[in-house]
Amino acid sequence: GAGVSQTPSNKVTEKGKYVELRCDPISGHTALYWYRQSLGQGPEFLIYFQGTGAADDSGLPNDRFFAVRPEGSVSTLKIQRTERGDSAVYLCASSPYKGGSYNEQFFGPGTRLTVL
Amino acid sequence: AQTVTQSQPEMSVQEAETVTLSCTYDTSESDYYLFWYKQPPSRQMILVIRQEAYKQQNATENRFSVNFQKAAKSFSLKISDSQLGDAAMYFCAYRNNYQLIWGAGTKLIIKP
Repeated sequence: GAGVSQTPSNKVTEKGKYVELRCDPISGHTALYWYRQSLGQGPEFLIYFQGTGAADDSGLPNDRFFAVRPEGSVSTLKIQRTERGDSAVYLCASSPYKGGSYNEQFFGPGTRLTVL
Repeated sequence: AQTVTQSQPEMSVQEAETVTLSCTYDTSESDYYLFWYKQPPSRQMILVIRQEAYKQQNATENRFSVNFQKAAKSFSLKISDSQLGDAAMYFCAYRNNYQLIWGAGTKLIIKP
């Protein structure tokens, strides 16, 4: 079956511009996660959705970052007034939800964002 | 706060040999999961192996096995019979509830 997909694969933008990154989770997965991976580092948690609502957005670095998941499937990560420090790979993952038991997170290939 | 440390930025091994990647973590929780992920140049994170903290037995998946030392908070990955396709970044990760906390990664180089 289809895995997690992310578009675009690469995005180059200029400082100050607005960008949207899209994540299509595995069909039926209710949980969705965004992580940010800076060069030479491990990923850092940004936000977690359970269904349509953001259950934990504590990892969003500031109010320029916002994410939505209006229908409980596709999610969009939105970054306003981009800065060079936002350059990173943005990873999306999804998992089924089985009431607290272990739920493996399946990752997409990421979007590499470069802010010039 | 939980932290994960990988002290080896890079490791190299001869094809068909065995290599061990190190990971230590810090937590005050007693129930959690630990993982090793592989990230090839394609960027996609691939789960290699996982360990439940309440299980004393070390997890094994074919050529991959772990040495889980709960008291020492150590979780190393052993790759036996290394193959060229094993070359990648390897990340150790800790999970409590839903959030994954990651180490900085170890780049594994396989010498033919």
